[in-house]
Order: sequence, then structure tokens, then C-alpha cells
Amino acid sequence: KAGVTQTPRYLIKTRGQQVTLSCSPISGHRSVSWYQQTPGQGLQFLFEYFSETQRNKGNFPGRFSGRQFSNSRSEMNVSTLELGDSALYLCASSSTGVANSPLHFGNGTRLTVT
Amino acid sequence: AQSVTQLGSHVSVSEGALVLLRCNYSSSVPPYLFWYVQYPNQGLQLLLKYTSAATLVKGINGFEAEFKKSETSFHLTKPSAHMSDAAEYFCAVSDNRYKLSFGAGTTVTVRA
Repeated sequence: KAGVTQTPRYLIKTRGQQVTLSCSPISGHRSVSWYQQTPGQGLQFLFEYFSETQRNKGNFPGRFSGRQFSNSRSEMNVSTLELGDSALYLCASSSTGVANSPLHFGNGTRLTVT
Repeated sequence: AQSVTQLGSHVSVSEGALVLLRCNYSSSVPPYLFWYVQYPNQGLQLLLKYTSAATLVKGINGFEAEFKKSETSFHLTKPSAHMSDAAEYFCAVSDNRYKLSFGAGTTVTVRA
């Protein structure tokens, strides 16, 4: 079974631009969540989607948004990029997203904002 | 909100020695706890999970963790370290709101 696929692996953007990251979950998984990983803040939850509905959102500004499509694929968008948005963005999928359902992570998208 | 605390941001062990990574959780109800490992330039890989079926949980690559409610701990151990165990390890707790809260991580280096 193929794992979680994130594209692209690396991105370099300039302040003020916007970026879209893509995630394809494991086949059959309907829950997709996104995390931001930085050396200073560690792993922080961005949002979770199940069957195209956002069920939870982390404490991030409105510049961070996401969506999920009917085939469970997900995208996240960051508008008006800031230097502090430089991070590894990790997508994870699970069958249900509930508490005891482990997350399966992709290899991430490394975003650098200059 | 539930949280986890990992004691020690960096652990260095000799090859063949015991690996012990500490994790304490704060929860008013029995939590769902996980250990993940991250190798350089990769995502997180599940090592093991605790879901109340047994207090001693065995995971992949020879790792195991023991849930101790009285100590609110879920420490990760491996009897004999291998060079391939060099990585960053994260303890995480689920809050029943479709997300995991992660500890700050512990980087393990293995000396030959």
C-alpha cells in the first residue's frame, strides 16, 4: 500500500507570496491532518479534515487554510508569506482520525521563505 | 488540554547500551499515547501506541514502552542500541479532538 505522498518536497518562496501544498493520503484513509514543524516551536497542529469537513483547527492565523476533496486528497494554502512561515509542513492520514487511530505521516514539504 | 513533557532534549548512548527516553503526560482521563520516530529529512513513523489494552506495549525495531498511571509516564526503552536508532523521538497524546499534541522531542545519538 502506498504511503502518504506530499508534493512538492521543497519550495522556496518570497515574502508576500502565497503557496499551496498537496497531500495524497493512504488509500482508504478519510482523515487528513496537517502539522507545522519548526526548530523553535516543534510540531504544531494546523487542521484536520474528514470527508471534506474541517473538524478541528489549530491556533494559526487566517492566512493558513486548507481543504479536502472528495477523493480525500488535501491541500493547504498559506497566503502573504512571512519569514516565520519557513518550516517543514507534514501531512498525516488515518482511517478515522479519532483518538486511538494512529497517524501515518508523509515526508513533508520543506518551505523556505526569503 | 492534554500535553506531554519529554525529559531531556538530547540523549547519547553507546552501541549496545540501554536506550531510555522519558515522557510524562498530563491528563485527567486515561489517554491515548504514542511514540514516533523521525529520521533526517523524513516524516514521522509510528513506533508504538498505548490504548489501554496492556500497560507494556511492544513496538517496532525492538522498542517498548510502559504505561504507569501512578507516575503519569510512558517511557520508551530499547535494551540494546544500534547505530540505526540515531534519530529524533517524539511522544504524543491524543485529545479526542482529532489531533495529536507532541512533546518537544529527544534526539538520540549512538556512539560506536
